Formats: sequence, structure tokens, C-alpha cells
Amino acid sequence: DAKTTQPPSMDCAEGRAANLPCNHSTISGNEYVYWYRQIHSQGPQYIIHGLKNNETNEMASLIITEDRKSSTLILPHATLRDTAVYYCIVRVAIQGAQKLVFGQGTRLTINP
Amino acid sequence: KAGVTQTPRYLIKTRGQQVTLSCSPISGHRSVSWYQQTPGQGLQFLFEYFSETQRNKGNFPGRFSGRQFSNSRSEMNVSTLELGDSALYLCASSQFLGEENGYTFGSGTRLTVV
Repeated sequence: DAKTTQPPSMDCAEGRAANLPCNHSTISGNEYVYWYRQIHSQGPQYIIHGLKNNETNEMASLIITEDRKSSTLILPHATLRDTAVYYCIVRVAIQGAQKLVFGQGTRLTINP
Repeated sequence: KAGVTQTPRYLIKTRGQQVTLSCSPISGHRSVSWYQQTPGQGLQFLFEYFSETQRNKGNFPGRFSGRQFSNSRSEMNVSTLELGDSALYLCASSQFLGEENGYTFGSGTRLTVV
């Protein structure tokens, strides 16, 4: 299974853009990159996903490098409520079924 | 619309006992996956069900099992509980198998084995 590598922790000032990096150098051509976040004691929350192209939704932007070996999640204007553990995940598809392979995640702290 | 519902929220069991956890997916969702989360191992995939059939399985011993009913509700069972089974068990649902859009997770069941 493709593995992801993320920094264990990051800090960001409220109102600034938070840029969370992720390495997935062994990703295969048909594997998607997903980002989830988990606020303490809750289940993970889906943020965004992509295959090759950059993606944007109401929560964040996802920038994937051309070689697909790394990506960056961007929270454009971080708020205190964005404090959470952020997981960069590769979705592995096996004969139509799939599983999410979670790494250890990045603990993002938004400071006032 | 209602989210993914997991019951019970908290559970305390004794070593050697068995436990059954329940997950009700979002209405219309037919795929249910289970994950175990521990401080040491993080989030690990247990299994995925779709149309009452197990479609994928993680690397867990046979003490961990599950099933899905015709209404898409799912249960997971852990037999002969060990201290190391103490964890947050999360259920996630999606509309289809191989759903490209993200899974929706429940809030989990926190199991403590004493």
C-alpha cells in the first residue's frame, strides 16, 4: 500500500493560509489522494480529494505535483476551528473495493 | 439528513468477553467500512461491506468480524477481547462501492477493555 509522510505538527496564525505538505512517493497511477481532518473525539471529516489535477472546494485547495509524489493542502484563511489533526491518505482500490490507508497525520494548531 | 450513527458511544468490557458494535449509515448509502483507531497504531482499516457482502478486509485477526444487513446497517463483533482491543472504532459510509467522493464517518464507539 502506498504510504504517506506528513510533518507531525504545524502552527499557523489565525487568518493566514495554512499549507500542509504530504509526500506519497510510491503512489500508483490509479490511486487518489484524500485529505481528512479529525477534531478531538470526533470521527474524521472529509475535506477534499484529487487524482492528478489541482482541486478546490469551499473548504480547501489541493495542489498535486506533476509527478504526483507529493501534495499540499491549503486552508486559505485559517480559523481557530481549523485546529485538528489532518490526514493525507491514499485510497487503494482492490477489485472495486477500497480502503483508506491513514498515516499519522499533522496536528495543526491555529493560534489567535 | 442524519449522519452516520454509531452505538453505543462508550463501552467497557472485560478481557475474554465479546462485544458487538452497531453502525447505521446515511440513508441511501450502501457501503460501510470499519476502522480502528489507537494512539499507537493510528487509524487502521478493518473491513468494508457492500450489499451485505464483505468486499475488503484489513490485517486483523479472525476475532474481528462483521456483517451488513439488507437495510445497509452494519455490525462488527470482537470475540475474546484483549486489552489491546481498547480503541475508538469508527464506521464510515458511502453511497457506492469505490465511491470517488469521500466517506462520511460516524463519531465512533470508544471501547475500553479491562
